[in-house]
Amino acid sequence: KAGVTQTPRYLIKTRGQQVTLSCSPISGHRSVSWYQQTPGQGLQFLFEYFSETQRNKGNFPGRFSGRQFSNSRSEMNVSTLELGDSALYLCASSVLEAGGYEQYFGPGTRLTVT
Amino acid sequence: GDSVTQMEGPVTLSEEAFLTINCTYTATGYPSLFWYVQYPGEGLQLLLKATKADDKGSNKGFEATYRKETTSFHLEKGSVQVSDSAVYFCALSSAGGTSYGKLTFGQGTILTVHP
Repeated sequence: KAGVTQTPRYLIKTRGQQVTLSCSPISGHRSVSWYQQTPGQGLQFLFEYFSETQRNKGNFPGRFSGRQFSNSRSEMNVSTLELGDSALYLCASSVLEAGGYEQYFGPGTRLTVT
Repeated sequence: GDSVTQMEGPVTLSEEAFLTINCTYTATGYPSLFWYVQYPGEGLQLLLKATKADDKGSNKGFEATYRKETTSFHLEKGSVQVSDSAVYFCALSSAGGTSYGKLTFGQGTILTVHP
């Protein structure tokens, strides 16, 4: 089975612009979660989608949004970019395993805001 | 809310040394526990997991036991290799409700193994 794929792998944007990142989950996985990874804050949960519905959201401003399509592919959007949004954005997919919520991660999109 | 605390890093070892990375957690109910590893320039890879008290997860020579009485999930390996050099993250997943799809991570421990 192919793993989780994320596009693009690298992105450079200017403050005030917006950006869209894409994630294709493992075939058969219906849950997609997004995380932001920075040296200062570590790994922080952004949101999770399941069957095109957002089920959970982390503590991020409304500039961060996402959606999921009927084929389970997901996108996240960041509007009005700030320097502090520079980070590695990780997507993870999962199928609910018995007794645990095991997640499989993509390679990430490295966003640099200048 | 849920939280995970990992031992202060970084950790530097010689090849074939014994490794322990401490991890403790705070959570309501009975979370599932995970160790993930991240190599430079890559995403996270699941290393091992445990879903109930006293479970032992193991993979590639690494082991961790779910200790509910001490709320711990320490990672161990008897003999590390240079190729084990990476960042290790302890994480937990609580059941349902506002925890859907959410892993709570520790701050990560950088491991460097010298030949």
